[in-house]
Amino acid sequence: EPEVTQTPSHQVTQMGQEVILRCVPISNHLYFYWYRQILGQKVEFLVSFYNNEISEKSEIFDDQFSVERPDGSNFTLKIRSTKLEDSAMYFCASSDRGMSGNTIYFGEGSWLTVV
Amino acid sequence: SQQGEEDPQALSIQEGENATMNCSYKTSINNLQWYRQNSGRGLVHLILIRSNEREKHSGRLRVTLDTSKKSSSLLITASRAADTASYFCASGAGSYQLTFGKGTKLSVIP
Repeated sequence: EPEVTQTPSHQVTQMGQEVILRCVPISNHLYFYWYRQILGQKVEFLVSFYNNEISEKSEIFDDQFSVERPDGSNFTLKIRSTKLEDSAMYFCASSDRGMSGNTIYFGEGSWLTVV
Repeated sequence: SQQGEEDPQALSIQEGENATMNCSYKTSINNLQWYRQNSGRGLVHLILIRSNEREKHSGRLRVTLDTSKKSSSLLITASRAADTASYFCASGAGSYQLTFGKGTKLSVIP
């Protein structure tokens, strides 16, 4: 079964460093998402991306964050100047259509630890 | 309660028993999706129910949706130790984002 793949599975970074989390969405999907889950808390929406532009973003997704689809298969989340509170599991997800009643498939996540 | 709030927060049952988890939400929705998460792992999609549906089945899973009460339930029948995980409901309200609840941590004791 097709799946969303994410790399790295775990990354430790120094506070203030830039981090890029990578994702390969399911191949025929057109909508891409990033969510995060701080340890012990809810999964939170960060951003959705369609047709090479952000379609929606949450309050969490401030100027520190950016997303990019650098080629036909990868989808990346960049966090500039990481803070301690950015430590979380970051999930990439994709769907073949927009939100109206369509299944969103998630990857295994990338654990980010900021020290 | 918040959008996509599950109860109970934790549930412990014996293998073979049924497990029922509930979810409430506040705003009108287009759909509600249930996910499973094994400890520290990814979110596995279980089932999606649309706002015009009342009940849906998938294997040992049964999901109901009551839009008048803004609530949904997930029933796992004949539970197995491998069902031990956290279960989340996530509501879609016409935008691109899903709103997740805090989840129910299910422990199935062999």
